[in-house]
Amino acid sequence: EVQLVQSGAEVKKPGESLRISCKGSGYSFTSSWITWVRQMPGKGLEWMGRIDPSDSYTNYSPSFQGHVIISADKSTRTAYLQWSSLKASDTAMYYCARHGDSWVGTFDIWGQGTMVTVSS
Amino acid sequence: DIQMTQSPSSLSASVGDRVTITCRASQTISKDLNWYQQKPGKAPKLLIYAASSLQSGVPSRFSGSGSGTDFTLTISSLQPEDFATYYCQHSYTTPYAFGQGTKLEIK
Repeated sequence: EVQLVQSGAEVKKPGESLRISCKGSGYSFTSSWITWVRQMPGKGLEWMGRIDPSDSYTNYSPSFQGHVIISADKSTRTAYLQWSSLKASDTAMYYCARHGDSWVGTFDIWGQGTMVTVSS
Repeated sequence: DIQMTQSPSSLSASVGDRVTITCRASQTISKDLNWYQQKPGKAPKLLIYAASSLQSGVPSRFSGSGSGTDFTLTISSLQPEDFATYYCQHSYTTPYAFGQGTKLEIK
């Protein structure tokens, strides 16, 4: 079964750092880009950026460039999203998703989501 | 950057109804338009890719059309499990973007 499994929910204080993960299985991890999507409470989906796990090449949305870092470790089949200094406004559900084979930029498999809560 | 605008933002309908949701891009995106369904507390699910291609396993009552800047998602006969929020997303170039969502509710 093709799946992406994300790390568990996190509760952090403003200014703390955080890295969440997304582990792929059931397919060739280096053959498909991984994208990260933010969903703030009660709001819509926002595309944050993507990574090619074969060479760790990344693209970011201007809205998130400089605020997060997307990385990947192909040896462990895991993609990461990290913050160096969290803000309360980073409170959201974060999803990773695999880019499908059928069409460029289509997200065919999604992780279950990681809830990040930032509160003092 | 390309912006996506969906309409309506919310919609009330009954089981068996035919429903259409519209998505407009701020510039031409050819057929690089995808549709997702999201139920509360769940990850989004891909329904339609390349504007009109049905993702494997998705019921045939879902269909998509359009090209350029204007696109539609149609559900031919609403089923109880279809009440959810629907998002369009362009994949023409990065940064990709989603529409704001259309919440489909039971009348």
